[in-house]
Amino acid sequence: KNEVEQSPQNLTAQEGEFITINCSYSVGISALHWLQQHPGGGIVSLFMLSSGKKKHGRLIATINIQEKHSSLHITASHPRDSAVYICAAGNTDKLIFGTGTRLQVFP
Amino acid sequence: DADVTQTPRNRITKTGKRIMLECSQTKGHDRMYWYRQDPGLGLRLIYYSFDVKDINKGEISDGYSVSRQAQAKFSLSLESAIPNQTALYFCATSDRSGGSYNEQFFGPGTRLTVL
Repeated sequence: KNEVEQSPQNLTAQEGEFITINCSYSVGISALHWLQQHPGGGIVSLFMLSSGKKKHGRLIATINIQEKHSSLHITASHPRDSAVYICAAGNTDKLIFGTGTRLQVFP
Repeated sequence: DADVTQTPRNRITKTGKRIMLECSQTKGHDRMYWYRQDPGLGLRLIYYSFDVKDINKGEISDGYSVSRQAQAKFSLSLESAIPNQTALYFCATSDRSGGSYNEQFFGPGTRLTVL
């Protein structure tokens, strides 16, 4: 069993839909990271959170430390949100990555 | 200019050849990392360095070596490349301010193909 698991692996949506991507982890963490990998391969950090909720534009990340679970929500999804979203558990000095969720948003 | 750069961006080589992938950063970060990414697998850590004199193996270091030539430069070498080292390689950096684990900043990646 992977230490960081994401669901779903693939997600297709129509423009405007509300998107939720889930992440469960089994290790102790100092922070939970959400990253976005563009179709061209580049990776950018979206959020780093250790409790509660963070919001940036249409993206919202939440974490429940007791349940070892985090969610990434995208409101009013748009085709430019199409990417792979990666969850990573930050554990002391390293990140442990999930395998990613491939999101495609169609017009 | 990008804060974290990798060279080359693409490389095709043959089995047995020695390959070096280079990473440079202008962010002034102490910590640097090398990862590989394979289809269907998450990013996996090869090596990491917390400063010029500190090098640590990651989960998949066999077949690889690294050199931290300066705070800003961290190179990954494949001494004798083999086909299962075909992958997308990423360099990343992070700051150690406050002693906490911080956001990582990724380079654009190097696509390596070993024939």
